[in-house]
Amino acid sequence: DIQMTQSPSSLSASVGDRVTITCRASQGIGNSLAWYQQKPGKAPKSLIYGASILLSGVPSTFSGSGSGTDFTLTISSLQPEDFATYYCQQYNSHPLTFGGGTKVEIK
Amino acid sequence: EVQVVESGGGLVQPGGSLRLSCAASGFRFSYSWMSWVRQAPGKGLEWVANINQDGSERHYVDSVKGRFTISRDNAKNSLSLQMNGLRVDDTAVYYCARGLMFDPWGQGTLVTVSS
Repeated sequence: DIQMTQSPSSLSASVGDRVTITCRASQGIGNSLAWYQQKPGKAPKSLIYGASILLSGVPSTFSGSGSGTDFTLTISSLQPEDFATYYCQQYNSHPLTFGGGTKVEIK
Repeated sequence: EVQVVESGGGLVQPGGSLRLSCAASGFRFSYSWMSWVRQAPGKGLEWVANINQDGSERHYVDSVKGRFTISRDNAKNSLSLQMNGLRVDDTAVYYCARGLMFDPWGQGTLVTVSS
C-alpha cells in the first residue's frame, strides 16, 4: 500500500500569509495526486487533481506542484474562507489512500 | 448541476446490516468510476470501496473486505454499498463520490454502530 504523509499536521497563519503544505508518497505515483479542502461539519471539496490542475471555480490563490513522491499545495495569500483542513490523496493504485490532513488555523 | 446524494444511514447494532444508496445526476454516470469514502468522528478521510463503469472491477479497503459489497445500476444512475457484519469501528459519515479522484462529493450519510 502507498502511504501518504502530510506535513505539518497543523499550522497557524494570518490572512494574507503564504502557506505551503507538503505531501510525500511512500513510492512514486507520477502525478496521480489530488488535494481536498474540508470545513467543519461539511463534505470535502475538491481543489486540485493531476498534482497541479485546478478544478473549475477554485481560486487562483491555490496551486499545486510536484511529481513522483513529493508534492506541495500552496495558498499564495490566505483568505478568511481558506481556514480549513486540507487532505492529499493518491489515485495511482489501489488501495486509494489519503494523507492525515493539515489543519490551517487562524493566528 | 453535477451532484451525488447519499441516503440510508442510521443506527445499527454490532453485527447488523445496512444498505447505503447514492443517486447521481448531471453527468454520464455509466462513464464514471464511483467510490465510497468514510470519515470516523474527529478523524481523517478513508477510501472504502470503488467500482468501475460496468461493474466488472471492484476494490475494497482491507478492513471491509468480505463484509461490504459495492454495486451500481447504470439504468437508474445509482450506486449502493451493502454493509454486513458491522462493527463499532465502522461508525462514520459515508460519502459517495465520482471517480478515482473524488469530485463531486455528496453531503454524506451517518452510520452509527452501537449497542
